[in-house]
Amino acid sequence: DVKVTQSSRYLVKRTGEKVFLECVQDMDHENMFWYRQDPGLGLRLIYFSYDVKMKEKGDIPEGYSVSREKKERFSLILESASTNQTSMYLCASSLSLGKDIQYFGAGTRLSVL
Amino acid sequence: KNEVEQSPQNLTAQEGEFITINCSYSVGISALHWLQQHPGGGIVSLFMLSSGKKKHGRLIATINIQEKHSSLHITASHPRDSAVYICAAQNNAGNMLTFGGGTRLMVKP
Repeated sequence: DVKVTQSSRYLVKRTGEKVFLECVQDMDHENMFWYRQDPGLGLRLIYFSYDVKMKEKGDIPEGYSVSREKKERFSLILESASTNQTSMYLCASSLSLGKDIQYFGAGTRLSVL
Repeated sequence: KNEVEQSPQNLTAQEGEFITINCSYSVGISALHWLQQHPGGGIVSLFMLSSGKKKHGRLIATINIQEKHSSLHITASHPRDSAVYICAAQNNAGNMLTFGGGTRLMVKP
């Protein structure tokens, strides 16, 4: 079974802090994704990566950056956390872009105070 | 950009009932995904389809490309089917999903 692991289930940070959310997948998938999920807005794509060191902006990249130095790991970075970034963050991976289902991590619930 | 609408938003059913959740999208897509999210947040991909029908156990997903509409059916529903069901339209490039707002299903024993 594919396993997508997010480093934290719950995280509390202060406004202005730099925040790292880590995601690791164990199935040698090419593609990895970061989403946020908010009540009333559903899931929205922040960034995705289709290869090591490659990244593409999603629908809402503002305030975020990403890093993919190794195939199995995709990091989401909040350079200076703000209260409007309080959300559930979900990582996903897929083998072949556009041809396979996505496998999701359990999510990280981030609160920015 | 795709717009994806789901109905109903909330659905309560009695155990054993046949359930249908609907998903409409507004532009061309390369595939339609159905996902399940249980309380606590974990999301599981149920189906990815670009035409016709797929079945897995008691779950059936159909899509009508001409009408830009997909349905998820659950036969012989069970309380463990209680979850949020989300459809997502995959763009023609295959690199992005646009998600519907979800249907919250509760199946009562």
